[in-house]
Amino acid sequence: GESVGLHLPTLSVQEGDNSIINCAYSNSASDYFIWYKQESGKGPQFIIDIRSNMDKRQGQRVTVLLNKTVKHLSLQIAATQPGDSAVYFCAENNGQGGKLIFGQGTELSVKP
Amino acid sequence: SAVISQKPSRDICQRGTSLTIQCQVDSQVTMMFWYRQQPGQSLTLIATANQGSEATYESGFVIDKFPISRPNLTFSTLTVSNMSPEDSSIYLCSGGQGTGELFFGEGSRLTVL
Repeated sequence: GESVGLHLPTLSVQEGDNSIINCAYSNSASDYFIWYKQESGKGPQFIIDIRSNMDKRQGQRVTVLLNKTVKHLSLQIAATQPGDSAVYFCAENNGQGGKLIFGQGTELSVKP
Repeated sequence: SAVISQKPSRDICQRGTSLTIQCQVDSQVTMMFWYRQQPGQSLTLIATANQGSEATYESGFVIDKFPISRPNLTFSTLTVSNMSPEDSSIYLCSGGQGTGELFFGEGSRLTVL
């Protein structure tokens, strides 16, 4: 069936380093991808999104890369800060009425 | 953007009882969805809440267990019926315009004893 999955369940980085969180998807018809950040006890918060007609999109300290050839999505966080510690989810919108299918999540831990 | 409010934020319930979770959006959204997030896991879509008609359920979820209402474009309810400890989870309401980002509430944390 369709699935969106992550390569690494946990990631620990030093404060100030760059973080890279990876995600694989299986539905080649997906045309929209999004990254969410979820802090403990809170709902998912939008970080950045990208449509399938792009391969890179940048935000403030974050960059999303999309490789449709290998069905791979990544989130890069520059100069990681303690406040970035959270669980990060990728999700895809395959055009079926706007619903999102979520990956398994990566827990990012930032060491001071 | 849209701000989504859910209540209750948390509750402890006895098995066999039912609980209704309310979701209010501060602006009209085309689409509303209900997700479940079990402890330490990802979000799983329960159903699409359709305005004025029956919800569309994902595989593994049925209306008798999770009845959903959506009387207008800004409000929806999810009922968890005949609860068992396996229903202990966070239930999340989300909304969007159907073209991209979904906005999420803070979730309703349900514990069933």
